[in-house]
Amino acid sequence: SQQGEEDPQALSIQEGENATMNCSYKTSINNLQWYRQNSGRGLVHLILIRSNEREKHSGRLRVTLDTSKKSSSLLITASRAADTASYFCATDAVPNNNDMRFGAGTRLTVKP
Amino acid sequence: DAMVIQNPRYQVTQFGKPVTLSCSQTLNHNVMYWYQQKSSQAPKLLFHYYDKDFNNEADTPDNFQSRRPNTSFCFLDIRSPGLGDAAMYLCATSGSGTSTDTQYFGPGTRLTVL
Repeated sequence: SQQGEEDPQALSIQEGENATMNCSYKTSINNLQWYRQNSGRGLVHLILIRSNEREKHSGRLRVTLDTSKKSSSLLITASRAADTASYFCATDAVPNNNDMRFGAGTRLTVKP
Repeated sequence: DAMVIQNPRYQVTQFGKPVTLSCSQTLNHNVMYWYQQKSSQAPKLLFHYYDKDFNNEADTPDNFQSRRPNTSFCFLDIRSPGLGDAAMYLCATSGSGTSTDTQYFGPGTRLTVL
């Protein structure tokens, strides 16, 4: 069953702007991951954040995690047209730290 | 380069005609997953293998079966495809299968059912 829910479902911005996508989940987690999917392709791992972490950075990506609100956000700074893709969060569920469940994703369009 | 390969990329089958999708990996990972993804939806886990141990999701229809003859290969068999089975099928691998582990995805096979 689905664990994460992303919002917005779709986001359209201009190149150079920042894009923020949110993920909410229902049950306590050990870890949360963000993945990217270009149209018609497989998913690519972006970043992992553990339940005891609040923020992580990777290049232009910034991920935050608020376990009290059961939510995470993915920020892409200085977006580029090549960032156009769908972005998914995936979570496990305490106590099981094996099976990951993906949310429905946010479709990001970056206009040149 | 080490990778996850799926063949074919596009598969067309007829209603009720069995079809097999294949996945191979050069990563030597223990875990292989099969996901079904319909348009604008989340990838839905169908089942996974941890080595030779098969783990079926509770809501995966019996129509879907899988085989893993060796570490490198995993197959998805759809015994009697229905129109509702038209989707992208994604294969993924991971080393340990834990939620700290990255899943590596293949490019997917898009299945059309006529």
